[in-house]
Amino acid sequence: AQKITQTQPGMFVQEKEAVTLDCTYDTSDQSYGLFWYKQPSSGEMIFLIYQGSYDEQNATEGRYSLNFQKARKSANLVISASQLGDSAMYFCAMRAEGGTSYGKLTFGQGTILTVHP
Amino acid sequence: EAGVAQSPRYKIIEKRQSVAFWCNPISGHATLYWYQQILGQGPKLLIQFQNNGVVDDSQLPKDRFSAERLKGVDSTLKIQPAKLEDSAVYLCASSLAPFGVQFFGPGTRLTVL
Repeated sequence: AQKITQTQPGMFVQEKEAVTLDCTYDTSDQSYGLFWYKQPSSGEMIFLIYQGSYDEQNATEGRYSLNFQKARKSANLVISASQLGDSAMYFCAMRAEGGTSYGKLTFGQGTILTVHP
Repeated sequence: EAGVAQSPRYKIIEKRQSVAFWCNPISGHATLYWYQQILGQGPKLLIQFQNNGVVDDSQLPKDRFSAERLKGVDSTLKIQPAKLEDSAVYLCASSLAPFGVQFFGPGTRLTVL
């Protein structure tokens, strides 16, 4: 079974500063993928970034980077130069990528990020 | 490129009534997912289709929930009869293939009174 834990119910950051959102995971699968999604108040889940378990380099997408520490089973999201539009709920998710898996995502509880001007 | 479309956006019903949700995935996406998101929680997969076949419905309450994906494109999710605990946002997502990135629709917010 897979489990995602996001221990920060809420985070605050000043505009233009960087912020790290924590995510730890538990799985017995050797091959898996880790995702971050953003969910604004409108409700739609927006894909941000993906990291494969065998990727040696941390993934980056614009202002988003994923700090992947495999031994610690953590996949923290770093947002640089925060903007007011970054205020939203952020979800960490994972999926097994092999064997009998069909690609189902398992989500954490989410972290609400508030960016102050 | 058009995203995943869902309708209705909001629905209010009384318990024991029936309700249906519709999803149109991104063109060409073979894999379609229905997730349930209860307030304050992350989404939970209800059912996954590959083309018009079901590949995972292990968490679908089959006594009241049903879903179909005719012709491998649009999909409908039905609840009959609804219970109070079915109040949630129902999200539809699609991907090119089972291990592609999943793109989500805006969701349908269901309130059961």
